[in-house]
Amino acid sequence: QVQLQESGPGLVKPSETLSLSCTVSGRSIGYYYWTWIRQPPGKGLEWIGVIYYNGSTTYNPSLRSRVTISADTSKNQLSLKLSSVTAADTAVYYCARYLEGTLGFCYMDVWGKGTTVTVSS
Amino acid sequence: QSVLTQPPSVSGAPGQRVTISCTGSNSNIGARYHVHWYQQLPGTAPRLLIYGNSDRPSGVPDRFSGSTSGTSASLDITGLRAEDEGNYYCQSYDSSLNGYVVFGGGTKLTVL
Repeated sequence: QVQLQESGPGLVKPSETLSLSCTVSGRSIGYYYWTWIRQPPGKGLEWIGVIYYNGSTTYNPSLRSRVTISADTSKNQLSLKLSSVTAADTAVYYCARYLEGTLGFCYMDVWGKGTTVTVSS
Repeated sequence: QSVLTQPPSVSGAPGQRVTISCTGSNSNIGARYHVHWYQQLPGTAPRLLIYGNSDRPSGVPDRFSGSTSGTSASLDITGLRAEDEGNYYCQSYDSSLNGYVVFGGGTKLTVL
């Protein structure tokens, strides 16, 4: 079955760029859509964005100006970059498989375990 | 502030039934975009519990059920068990701002 594993630096300095990877096993990433979600400490889930088959992306309007999601099919990996980070970006970051039917019928059926990122000097 | 509104907490005794509400608007649930639910047990990643308003993925007990009405959705849990204690999130799609995925703020379920 599909498994996802997030990885990346656990500590990022303010104003720098957060960079994370998600390695997918059990299925080629080219067959599905993939998404990133984050969860600040003690708070709820926030959707970051999605990458589609053709490499196109859709982002949360609140993060759009700072986020880039990409995919490397040769490595079967996704990546997330979030620029100009502040303490408010401290969170557990999850990657997940994103299933979409008709417009608006979209949900996440397989999740990684998440990776914790702290923004601090 | 979340686009979808959930009660911060609910509680119930073992064996009882609880309902978690999720209130949206005409740009998400009211526009008939589907609602999905996730369960997050302590220290773990979220798990898909209900998709497409009321369907259960394989392995989810039929004690969990979902429904929608107007601009709201509900998650019902019957025969409450201690292992159900955790946080529950609703999720839908919002057509504003070119469209994006939205979550509820989450509801903490306590089994008394």
